[in-house]
Amino acid sequence: DVKVTQSSRYLVKRTGEKVFLECVQDMDHENMFWYRQDPGLGLRLIYFSYDVKMKEKGDIPEGYSVSREKKERFSLILESASTNQTSMYLCASRTDVTSYEQYFGPGTRLTVT
Amino acid sequence: AQSVSQHNHHVILSEAASLELGCNYSYGGTVNLFWYVQYPGQHLQLLLKYFSGDPLVKGIKGFEAEFIKSKFSFNLRKPSVQWSDTAEYFCAVRSDSWGKLQFGAGTQVVVTP
Repeated sequence: DVKVTQSSRYLVKRTGEKVFLECVQDMDHENMFWYRQDPGLGLRLIYFSYDVKMKEKGDIPEGYSVSREKKERFSLILESASTNQTSMYLCASRTDVTSYEQYFGPGTRLTVT
Repeated sequence: AQSVSQHNHHVILSEAASLELGCNYSYGGTVNLFWYVQYPGQHLQLLLKYFSGDPLVKGIKGFEAEFIKSKFSFNLRKPSVQWSDTAEYFCAVRSDSWGKLQFGAGTQVVVTP
């Protein structure tokens, strides 16, 4: 079974803090994704990575950056957290670009106060 | 860019009732369509997918979906729901050559005993 894990289920941070969300997959997948999930808006893609050290902006990259130094790990960084970044963050991975099924982690609920 | 519209945000129904959730995508051509489900406290997981061939697709847990190209629709159905079908359901469409997914806003389904 594919396993995608995220470093925290719940996180509370203050405005202006730098926040790191970590995601690890154990299936040697090439592609990894970061989404945020908000009520009434569904899932929106923040960034994705199609290979190590490669990244592409998604639909809502503003205020976020990412890092992928190793194949299994994809980090989402909030350089200076703001209250409008309070959300559920979901990480996903898939085998490669020819495989459209994505496997999701449990999510990190981030609250910025 | 592709967009996805889910018709209902909240649905409440009794056990044994039939369920149909609407999903429309914005434009034609070759499409790959998905329904994902998120049970309370669990990961988002794939319910079913359509790539080509028979427009009636069967998924897990007795769900099925019908792809109607002329209506740009991919509606999800289950003839008789159970309390355990209480979840949030997301429709998604492949949005570009990278295989990124565009998600709908989601439908929260509550099944009462």
